[in-house]
Amino acid sequence: KAGVTQTPRYLIKTRGQQVTLSCSPISGHRSVSWYQQTPGQGLQFLFEYFSETQRNKGNFPGRFSGRQFSNSRSEMNVSTLELGDSALYLCASSFGDTSTDTQYFGPGTRLTVL
Amino acid sequence: ILNVEQSPQSLHVQEGDSTNFTCSFPSSNFYALHWYRWETAKSPEALFVMTLNGDEKKKGRISATLNTKEGYSYLYIKGSQPEDSATYLCASGTYKYIFGTGTRLKVLA
Repeated sequence: KAGVTQTPRYLIKTRGQQVTLSCSPISGHRSVSWYQQTPGQGLQFLFEYFSETQRNKGNFPGRFSGRQFSNSRSEMNVSTLELGDSALYLCASSFGDTSTDTQYFGPGTRLTVL
Repeated sequence: ILNVEQSPQSLHVQEGDSTNFTCSFPSSNFYALHWYRWETAKSPEALFVMTLNGDEKKKGRISATLNTKEGYSYLYIKGSQPEDSATYLCASGTYKYIFGTGTRLKVLA
């Protein structure tokens, strides 16, 4: 069974631009969550999508948005990029959306904002 | 405790040593506690999910215990090997996962 894939793996953007990251979950998984990791910080929860609906959202500004398609693939968009958005963005999929469901992580997208 | 906290932040042990670290989480409205191992240049990998007070899980040389009443979990590694070097993350939360900042383990050969 193929794992979680994320594209692109690396991205360089400049301040003010926008970016879209993609995540393909494990086949059969309906939940996709997004996390941001910056140096010194743990994984910060961005949002979770389940069956195309945003189920939960972390404490990030509205510049961070996402969506999920009918095939469970998910995209995350960041508009008006700031230097502080430079981070590793991880997505994780799980079969369900409960707190006991194990999450399977993708390799991440490393975003650098110049 | 409002957040998930892990200690120590990092540690170095000699090959063959046993070690343990702690994850503290809010004990109110507890649902589940997850442990992950995150090796450099790889994705976080799930180790255990624990839900019941007193739960003990084991996977090879790694084991974990859970105390939901006082809000902590211990992860133990017996006879550490260099391949155990990684960051160990725990996560909990009333609905979705709140991650600790992790314990970075370095096992010296």
